[in-house]
Amino acid sequence: NAGVIQTPRHKVTGKGQEATLWCEPISGHSAVFWYRQTIVQGLEFLTYFRNQAPIDDSGMPKERFSAQMPNQSHSTLKIQSTQPQDSAVYLCASSNRANTGQLYFGEGSKLTVL
Amino acid sequence: AQSVTQPDARVTVSEGASLQLRCKYSYSATPYLFWYVQYPRQGLQLLLKYYSGDPVVQGVNSFEAEFSKSNSSFHLQKASVHWSDSAVYFCALSPASSGSWQLIFGSGTQLTVMP
Repeated sequence: NAGVIQTPRHKVTGKGQEATLWCEPISGHSAVFWYRQTIVQGLEFLTYFRNQAPIDDSGMPKERFSAQMPNQSHSTLKIQSTQPQDSAVYLCASSNRANTGQLYFGEGSKLTVL
Repeated sequence: AQSVTQPDARVTVSEGASLQLRCKYSYSATPYLFWYVQYPRQGLQLLLKYYSGDPVVQGVNSFEAEFSKSNSSFHLQKASVHWSDSAVYFCALSPASSGSWQLIFGSGTQLTVMP
């Protein structure tokens, strides 16, 4: 059984460019979460979906960040006009029982903005 | 507001020694509590979880944790560590009773096991 798949594993963008990160949750999982991990801020919740519907985006920066889940097999996190402070590891997680807190994480996408 | 505090950013122990990683939480109700581990260049993996009942919970690789409501703590323990336990350990809280499903993580403890 494949785990959560995140692509790309590494992405380098120039300041002002757009970055799109993809996440394929574990088959059958109804909830998908996005977190951002940095040395300074640690693990920050960004947003989550349940049955493809956005449920809580309270952690998403209001400008430039957006997330979608067009079907049950993938979710995307898009960052427009990337800035150096967006450099981080973006972690996707899925769960079939999200209300229990048991999340299955992907290996992350490391974004570097030059 | 809910929060998780891991007071020790780094812990170094010798192989075979016992281990305790500390975790304190702040939440008005009884939360769901978790320990996750992150190995280099990997995502987080669940070690163990506490929902209710017996305050001592067992996890993978002989880890266990003890919930204390009076101390608002959920410390992780292991009787004898192995070099392969070197990793970053995160304590997390799920305020599920508030209707939110997000996990709130502590800042993590980097564990180094010396051979």
